[in-house]
Amino acid sequence: KAGVTQTPRYLIKTRGQQVTLSCSPISGHRSVSWYQQTPGQGLQFLFEYFSETQRNKGNFPGRFSGRQFSNSRSEMNVSTLELGDSALYLCASSGGTEQETQYFGPGTRLLVL
Amino acid sequence: KQEVTQIPAALSVPEGENLVLNCSFTDSAIYNLQWFRQDPGKGLTSLLLIQSSQREQTSGRLNASLDKSSGRSTLYIAASQPGDSATYLCAVRQRTGNQFYFGTGTSLTVIP
Repeated sequence: KAGVTQTPRYLIKTRGQQVTLSCSPISGHRSVSWYQQTPGQGLQFLFEYFSETQRNKGNFPGRFSGRQFSNSRSEMNVSTLELGDSALYLCASSGGTEQETQYFGPGTRLLVL
Repeated sequence: KQEVTQIPAALSVPEGENLVLNCSFTDSAIYNLQWFRQDPGKGLTSLLLIQSSQREQTSGRLNASLDKSSGRSTLYIAASQPGDSATYLCAVRQRTGNQFYFGTGTSLTVIP
């Protein structure tokens, strides 16, 4: 069974630009969660999608948004990039119930200059 | 707001030693607690998931326990090996809001 995949793996952008990251969950998983990981703040929860609906949301500004498609693939968008958005962005998929194990992708490393 | 803390932040042990990593959380209203390892520059690998109704889970040389009332979990690693060197993270899923909260991590180095 293929794992969670994320594209692209690395990205360099400049301040003010926008970026879209993609996540393909494990086949059969309907829940996708997104996280931001930085050395200073650690791993922080961004949002979770389940069956194309945002189920939960962390404490991030509206510049961070996401969506999920009917095949469970998810995208995350960050608009008006700031230097502080430089981070490793991780997505995780699970079978969909509250008690399922999360499986993480390798992450997308975003550098904002 | 849930706060998850892991102590120590870093740990260095000789190969073969048994060790315990600690995770504490402030709000006991959780669905589950999960332990992960993260290798440098990589994503997270799930190690063990403990449901809120369970007290412990075991997988190979790993054993994780959960004491919800005291807000603590421990990850026990038996007979440590250099390949165990990584950062270990615990995460809780809240009942209210279903949000996930991660700990600060323990960086483990096993010296051959």
